[in-house]
Amino acid sequence: AQTVTQSQPEMSVQEAETVTLSCTYDTSESNYYLFWYKQPPSRQMILVIRQEAYKQQNATENRFSVNFQKAAKSFSLKISDSQLGDTAMYFCAFMTPSGNTPLVFGKGTRLSVIA
Amino acid sequence: GAVVSQHPSRVICKSGTSVKIECRSLDFQATTMFWYRQFPKQSLMLMATSNEGSKATYEQGVEKDKFLINHASLTLSTLTVTSAHPEDSSFYICSASSAGPGEKLFFGSGTQLSVL
Repeated sequence: AQTVTQSQPEMSVQEAETVTLSCTYDTSESNYYLFWYKQPPSRQMILVIRQEAYKQQNATENRFSVNFQKAAKSFSLKISDSQLGDTAMYFCAFMTPSGNTPLVFGKGTRLSVIA
Repeated sequence: GAVVSQHPSRVICKSGTSVKIECRSLDFQATTMFWYRQFPKQSLMLMATSNEGSKATYEQGVEKDKFLINHASLTLSTLTVTSAHPEDSSFYICSASSAGPGEKLFFGSGTQLSVL
């Protein structure tokens, strides 16, 4: 069974600074997807970034980028130029590439951006 | 982009009553939908996998007779909490998969259930 571990329950960062959220996972699969989701106070799950395991290039989406280390089974999220609106819960998630498999979530990291 | 609609967003009910939550995929066919439960300050916990036209698959510890799931069409799955009790109070979220190349998962906006 796959597991996802987020070892930082809470983090804070000054506005405009950079912060990195950690995530490790365990799987015996060779092909899979990794995600970071943001859950603001509204509790709507918002996809931040997605990475296919077969792609060596790290995914980026504007201020968000990942450091994907497949051998180490590590998938960290870097948020650059942090904004107050980035304050939220962030969940790392894993999924195998089949329509019948759900996301497996980590426990989440609560990020607070401080003005 | 694809949208998943979940209703109601909030429901308050008396202990012992039943509550139905709907999850609809609006512009794609979802052969598989997933139901999660989230307690305050915790992560999403998978309750069950809903497959169109067949019985749902429940995770260990989830009572299938209490949480009835129906997936009668390719765009609609429902979760019915039967004989609700205060301990069932939680945030319930559905998600639907658009299977195929570049498949993605889309989430509903969630339902906050409060059982008095």
